[in-house]
Amino acid sequence: NAGVTQTPKFQVLKTGQSMTLQCAQDMNHNSMYWYRQDPGMGLRLIYYSASEGTTDKGEVPNGYNVSRLNKREFSLRLESAAPSQTSVYFCASRLGLAETYNEQFFGPGTRLTVL
Amino acid sequence: QKEVEQNSGPLSVPEGAIASLNCTYSDRGSQSFFWYRQYSGKSPELIMSIYSNGDKEDGRFTAQLNKASQYVSLLIRDSQPSDSATYLCAVNSRETSGSRLTFGEGTQLTVNP
Repeated sequence: NAGVTQTPKFQVLKTGQSMTLQCAQDMNHNSMYWYRQDPGMGLRLIYYSASEGTTDKGEVPNGYNVSRLNKREFSLRLESAAPSQTSVYFCASRLGLAETYNEQFFGPGTRLTVL
Repeated sequence: QKEVEQNSGPLSVPEGAIASLNCTYSDRGSQSFFWYRQYSGKSPELIMSIYSNGDKEDGRFTAQLNKASQYVSLLIRDSQPSDSATYLCAVNSRETSGSRLTFGEGTQLTVNP
């Protein structure tokens, strides 16, 4: 049971390049999330998928797109990377059966640098 | 006002002492409260969840929730150097829908041997 996995672990891009961050969970969770973490800013929600087939914007969605490929996988795409998107990106998942049980479990993160 | 606020830190305590971490939140309708620990360069790890007023104990960790005063705290007893990390408070806010959490910026804790 690997939990939440993310690929790649590290990535360096040039301004204007595109890339997709992959996330998968093997816990049969319904909800999945993408966060970015910057020094002094805490964790900020980019997009989330409350259940398979749905996606919603979070706090900082501009410059990103997501795809909930199936129940297991949730990808984040940067179409035209900018230096402001240099950050650590975390994927998380949650069982999602009841509003009360909101524990989210995080993947190991992707460290992205945009030059 | 930020939705979730934590002690600005950093907080430094000697080994064996009690570390107290505090968090306040703005939405009175919040129902679920969590503490995550994050070591430098690693991902957040859930250590405590609390849903009802009062105390919840798990080993050396105690979470305290007071909904009337809108604060949640984490006490770490017999602090160890391995407890040195950033602690994140997270709250399920009714304002941001039931499936989302709002995180505080974190409090950095250092336990000195």
